[in-house]
Order: sequence, then C-alpha cells, then structure tokens
Amino acid sequence: SQTIHQWPATLVQPVGSPLSLECTVEGTSNPNLYWYRQAAGRGLQLLFYSVGIGQISSEVPQNLSASRPQDRQFILSSKKLLLSDSGFYLCAWSASQGFWTFGQGTRLTVV
Amino acid sequence: QKEVEQNSGPLSVPEGAIASLNCTYSDRGSQSFFWYRQYSGKSPELIMSIYSNGDKEDGRFTAQLNKASQYVSLLIRDSQPSDSATYLCAVKEAGTASKLTFGTGTRLQVTL
Repeated sequence: SQTIHQWPATLVQPVGSPLSLECTVEGTSNPNLYWYRQAAGRGLQLLFYSVGIGQISSEVPQNLSASRPQDRQFILSSKKLLLSDSGFYLCAWSASQGFWTFGQGTRLTVV
Repeated sequence: QKEVEQNSGPLSVPEGAIASLNCTYSDRGSQSFFWYRQYSGKSPELIMSIYSNGDKEDGRFTAQLNKASQYVSLLIRDSQPSDSATYLCAVKEAGTASKLTFGTGTRLQVTL
C-alpha cells in the first residue's frame, strides 16, 4: 500500500532562518507531488507541484522554493523565513487513482 | 482564476439529523470532484469522489453532482458528533491531471 511521510510535525523558527521540509511517498512510482499551505482559518493554497524528477511548477510568487531530487521525494525550502510564512504546510501525492492523499502536515510558526 | 465556493459556516445540526453541505465551481470543464474532511489541526482525508451527474452513496455519505448548475453537494445522514469537522470541496481542473482546487471549507458542528 502507498504511504506518505512528512516531517517534522511542528516547527518554530525565527524570522530570517532557513527552512527545509521533506516529504516522501512509498509504494508507488512517478507520483504527482504537491505542496500546499493553509493559513489559519483559510483554505488550501497550492504552492508547488511536480509531475517528475526535477520538474517543479510554482503557483504563487513567494519566499519559498521546492525541489524533487528523487522520484518520491519532495522538499520545500526557504533561505530566509518571513512572519507571513507561518502556516500549516501539507504535502500530497496523486497518481492513477485520481485523488490526492495528504501527509500529516507541518505546523510552522515563524517568530 | 478557477474558483470553488463554499459557505464557511458553521453549520450546526443536531445528532441524528441530515447535514447538507454545498459547493459551486467556476470551471465548466471540470470532470472530477472530491469531498475531504479535515479535523482541527489534522490533514484532510478523502471521504467521497464523484465524476458523473447524479448521486453517489457510501455508507452515511451521499455526494451529488449537477454539472449543468456547476454544483456539488455532500449529504451526511444520521450525523454524529464525530462528524464535526471542516469539509473541503475540491475540483480537478479540466485538461490537466495536475491541479486540484479547494474551497475554503464548511465547518460542521453536530450537537448532542
């Protein structure tokens, strides 16, 4: 069966510090991978998606970047965090099943 | 800009009643529609998918789709306190397998 792992679950970082969130998927090949952010009380905002290794599409201009160094690994990064980067970050994957499956999420608080 | 609209709620229903959650979407070419449930502080989990006009039932849940009206709904029968959560409507954009647009969600409260 397929599983998705995302870590860490919670993170408190100072303004200006770097960020690296990692997501891996097991049990499937060549999944579509996604990073979403959910601000408090708001909907899911698509940040990045990837349909293959090294292929990254950005949905919104921002302080973040994404990379896909391996088929089932998706990384969200920032060189310098802003207060506005606080939120609930969700990794998701999809494939032939047609629907998206989410990881457990990372709650990021920038202080 | 593709949009998915939901009433934010909260929608309050008594235990045992039917909860009706609604969603409209702007992309007339959309073909795939999903309902996710999100408990506070947790990630969304898929509860229903629907692709054709009409009703689709799964246990206490029924999804309804009307493509002509660009309208999707979710009915929850015999609502339980454990159904209290935010329900997210999601629509897959036409012409791509790569984008799922979410509504902001409707918060459901099932009262005793």
